[in-house]
Amino acid sequence: EAQVTQNPRYLITVTGKKLTVTCSQNMNHEYMSWYRQDPGLGLRQIYYSMNVEVTDKGDVPEGYKVSRKEKRNFPLILESPSPNQTSLYFCASSRSLETSGGPTNTGELFFGEGSRLTVL
Amino acid sequence: GENVEQHPSTLSVQEGDSAVIKCTYSDSASNYFPWYKQELGKGSQLIIDIRSNVGEKKDQRIAVTLNKTAKHFSLHITETQPEDSAVYFCRPSSRGGSNYKLTFGKGTLLTVNP
Repeated sequence: EAQVTQNPRYLITVTGKKLTVTCSQNMNHEYMSWYRQDPGLGLRQIYYSMNVEVTDKGDVPEGYKVSRKEKRNFPLILESPSPNQTSLYFCASSRSLETSGGPTNTGELFFGEGSRLTVL
Repeated sequence: GENVEQHPSTLSVQEGDSAVIKCTYSDSASNYFPWYKQELGKGSQLIIDIRSNVGEKKDQRIAVTLNKTAKHFSLHITETQPEDSAVYFCRPSSRGGSNYKLTFGKGTLLTVNP
């Protein structure tokens, strides 16, 4: 079954304690991305990755790190979590196509089930 | 970057009525227009999309219409059912060049009352 798997689904932690949210997809997608969802703000992109070892900042990257050492995994790292990072996090993946203008996203994103993080 | 506005932010309808959600974008190069549905406690799923070479696409009770001149596209749900209750997001994008920085609308919470 094609899926994007995130772990943990729920986590309560304290300020400053490093944590990692894992994301794995089994569809051989090149593109992966992390979003946070907050009331009234919708889905905001944190980081994205076009392929292995290629990552870039989204709209709200402060306080986060990512890595893409393997195609299937795209972990989100909070080195020193703060209460303003309390949120619902989603990982998503998508296929990429090569076009005359360079690699491009096909459009359809496949989302994980979400990780609800609370930082006290 | 792309500015995306989605309206309304909340919508409540009676079962059987129609619902319309509108998404306005700023990038005239946008040529792919999807709508995603997020049910409570789940990740979003693509429900319908349209490309810029067509003005309307329909899939059973769901349709999307596109007005490229005015830079907006809309989600139409007819004969709404309680299971249509969810948050809906739009996400216009361009297939050319670097379009990996994806901007979503802020979402519309649709409630269908039995």
